[in-house]
Formats: sequence, C-alpha cells, structure tokens
Amino acid sequence: GQQVMQIPQYQHVQEGEDFTTYCNSSTTLSNIQWYKQRPGGHPVFLIQLVKSGEVKKQKRLTFQFGEAKKNSSLHITATQTTDVGTYFCAGWKLIFGQGTELSVKP
Amino acid sequence: EAQVTQNPRYLITVTGKKLTVTCSQNMNHEYMSWYRQDPGLGLRQIYYSMNVEVTDKGDVPEGYKVSRKEKRNFPLILESPSPNQTSLYFCASSLSLTGNYGYTFGSGTRLTVV
Repeated sequence: GQQVMQIPQYQHVQEGEDFTTYCNSSTTLSNIQWYKQRPGGHPVFLIQLVKSGEVKKQKRLTFQFGEAKKNSSLHITATQTTDVGTYFCAGWKLIFGQGTELSVKP
Repeated sequence: EAQVTQNPRYLITVTGKKLTVTCSQNMNHEYMSWYRQDPGLGLRQIYYSMNVEVTDKGDVPEGYKVSRKEKRNFPLILESPSPNQTSLYFCASSLSLTGNYGYTFGSGTRLTVV
C-alpha cells in the first residue's frame, strides 16, 4: 500500500532560523495535505496541494508539491516560538507521514 | 460550531474489559476515520468509513471494531483491550474521501490499558 515517509523526525532551531520538512511517497499522489499539531493538541489542517509543481504560501510558510507528485515540502522562514509543534503530511485516504517535530529555542 | 467530538478525553481501563470511544461530527461529513498516535510512529489509521454502513480497515485494525449506523457517529470499539492498545486516539472527518477542504480532528482520547 501507499507509504508516506517524512524527514527529519526532529528539528531543533534557534528562533529566526529557517526550517524545512520533506515528505516522500512511494506512489504518485492525487493530492497532499499538511497538518500542524501543537504539543498536547490535535492535528489542524493547514493546506492542500493538488497540481504538479504547485507552490502555495501562507505568511512565512511555503508549501511545494513535486513535479512528479511523489514528494512535497514545507518551509518556514524565520521561525518563531509559535511555530513549535509537529508537522505532518498526508496522502490518499489521509495516510500520514511520521511527522517532523519542530522545537524553537528563543 | 463545526466540530468533531470525542468522548471520553481520558480513560484508564483493565485488560479485557470492553470499551467504546465515541466520535460525533456536526458537519454532515461523509468520510470519518480513526487513528492512533504513538511516539515515533506518527498517526496510524485504524479504520475509516466513506459513508453510512460503509467501513474499511486501515493500517492497524487488529483488536478494533467500528460501526457507522448514522452519518454523524463513528464509534471505536475495543472488545477485549490489551496493554498494547494504550495510545492516543483521534477521530477525523471530512466532506469527502479526497478531503478537499481538509480533515477536522477531534481533541483526542488518551487510553491506558493496565
């Protein structure tokens, strides 16, 4: 079945540094979604990408969908302490990657 | 307010004692799904349902049952819980399988089986 792999598993950054998490699928994805889970909270939908090569921005967050629709990335510019949490990508039928836990040191 | 409601939030039970975790959504969503979250393993899908009376296994269905008799409710049943089912459980729902508008998650149920 479909597998979605996400790297890195953990990322510790100094506030103001950039952060990127990568998501790779074993099969072509019809779409990919990104979620954020704050510590102690539940996953919250951030965005969906559908088109090959698509790039979407939400303030300091940039989401990309690969040309082959088998990979995706989330990049955060100038991290803030409010960015702390685990970021998940999810493919078909909401099969999740393992997530990347981001910690930000003030 | 549009939401997915799970109950209970916390539950401690003993091995073998049947339990049900309820999930209800008020958004008329067709698609509902259950996940368990364990450290280092991310979110793993247990069961999902594409509509009333339509359910299917996810990646880790062993030891769990579900039912979808009404569109709004999707309970998770553990007939004979074991300690390896100690986990954080989430229910999620969406308008459709493709989730074009994203999936809405419940607040979670932390289950401990002793």
